[in-house]
Amino acid sequence: DAGITQSPRYKITETGRQVTLMCHQTWSHSYMFWYRQDLGHGLRLIYYSAAADITDKGEVPDGYVVSRSKTENFPLTLESATRSQTSVYFCASSPDRSSYEQYFGPGTRLTVT
Amino acid sequence: AQSVSQHNHHVILSEAASLELGCNYSYGGTVNLFWYVQYPGQHLQLLLKYFSGDPLVKGIKGFEAEFIKSKFSFNLRKPSVQWSDTAEYFCAVNKGNTDKLIFGTGTRLQVFP
Repeated sequence: DAGITQSPRYKITETGRQVTLMCHQTWSHSYMFWYRQDLGHGLRLIYYSAAADITDKGEVPDGYVVSRSKTENFPLTLESATRSQTSVYFCASSPDRSSYEQYFGPGTRLTVT
Repeated sequence: AQSVSQHNHHVILSEAASLELGCNYSYGGTVNLFWYVQYPGQHLQLLLKYFSGDPLVKGIKGFEAEFIKSKFSFNLRKPSVQWSDTAEYFCAVNKGNTDKLIFGTGTRLQVFP
């Protein structure tokens, strides 16, 4: 049971480059989320999706793009990476709205130089 | 705006000491409350949750939390900590009619043998 996986686990990129972080879940959960974790800020929601082809902004969406063409995948793209986007990115999923409990992936540590 | 406050940023304890981590949120109405734990190098895992009913909730590994509606609090407790409890602890709140969790900034717990 793979659960929720993220790739890559570590990424170093240069300022201005486009980067895509992948998230895949095997549970067929309706909801998926992207967070960034930064010291002193905890986890902040970037984008989330209630179902395939439905996405919505979270607390810090600027500079990020998401898509959800299939229920199991929820990629996060940094269109033009900036140093302020250096962070640990967590993907999470939740079965439905009544549960609210979220299941987290292992995270991707992104460094923008 | 919704906010979740964790006033203890860093807690250092010896094994067998008692633990209480504070969590306060800033709005009324129906809420669903969570504590997540992140062990070093690992992803977030659910520790316990409160939706309704008995305000004293028991979770895994001997943790419990008490929902006090009048104080807008959901403090986490453990009577006797172990070295293996060293981790970062996040409180999260869901307002009942939304899809999102709002996380606190986290409390880093270090337990020394």
